[in-house]
Amino acid sequence: EAQVTQNPRYLITVTGKKLTVTCSQNMNHEYMSWYRQDPGLGLRQIYYSMNVEVTDKGDVPEGYKVSRKEKRNFPLILESPSPNQTSLYFCASSSYDRAPVEQYFGPGTRLTVT
Amino acid sequence: TQLLEQSPQFLSIQEGENLTVYCNSSSVFSSLQWYRQEPGEGPVLLVTVVTGGEVKKLKRLTFQFGDARKDSSLHITAAQPGDTGLYLCAGGGDSWGKLQFGAGTQVVVTP
Repeated sequence: EAQVTQNPRYLITVTGKKLTVTCSQNMNHEYMSWYRQDPGLGLRQIYYSMNVEVTDKGDVPEGYKVSRKEKRNFPLILESPSPNQTSLYFCASSSYDRAPVEQYFGPGTRLTVT
Repeated sequence: TQLLEQSPQFLSIQEGENLTVYCNSSSVFSSLQWYRQEPGEGPVLLVTVVTGGEVKKLKRLTFQFGDARKDSSLHITAAQPGDTGLYLCAGGGDSWGKLQFGAGTQVVVTP
């Protein structure tokens, strides 16, 4: 089954404790992206990757890091989480064959930073 | 940053009624997508429109892209409880891969 998976689905952590949210897709998509969703603000793009070893900032990259060492994986790293990063996070992927970009989303990771 | 405004923010209707939600911007988009998101899940793509004035139908859902490619609407005919969800519009710009999302319209259809 074609899908985007994220782990963990739920995470409660404390301020300053480094964490990684994993994202993996099995569709051989070149493009992957991370979003955060907050009430009243919709989905805001954090980082995206056009292909392996190619990443770029979205609209709200501060406090986040990403890497794209393999085509299928695109982890999101919070080096020193803060309470304002409490949010619902989505990973998405797409293929250049489907233009304009039509994204497939993962199920989401709900992060709480205390 | 291009801004997409969706209205209304919340809509509650009875089964069988019609509804329209709007997505407006002061900027021109190369494409406009509509997604539906259900609780606990990620958004799922419903449709993509790319040509000004374009109208697409998906069963009881009708999507329209404005002539100037700055706005879009989603009309649902004879709504059903299964149409309940958060409807998000997303605009594509000149840079491939960057999508600007609206805040969404929460639609609740009661039996």
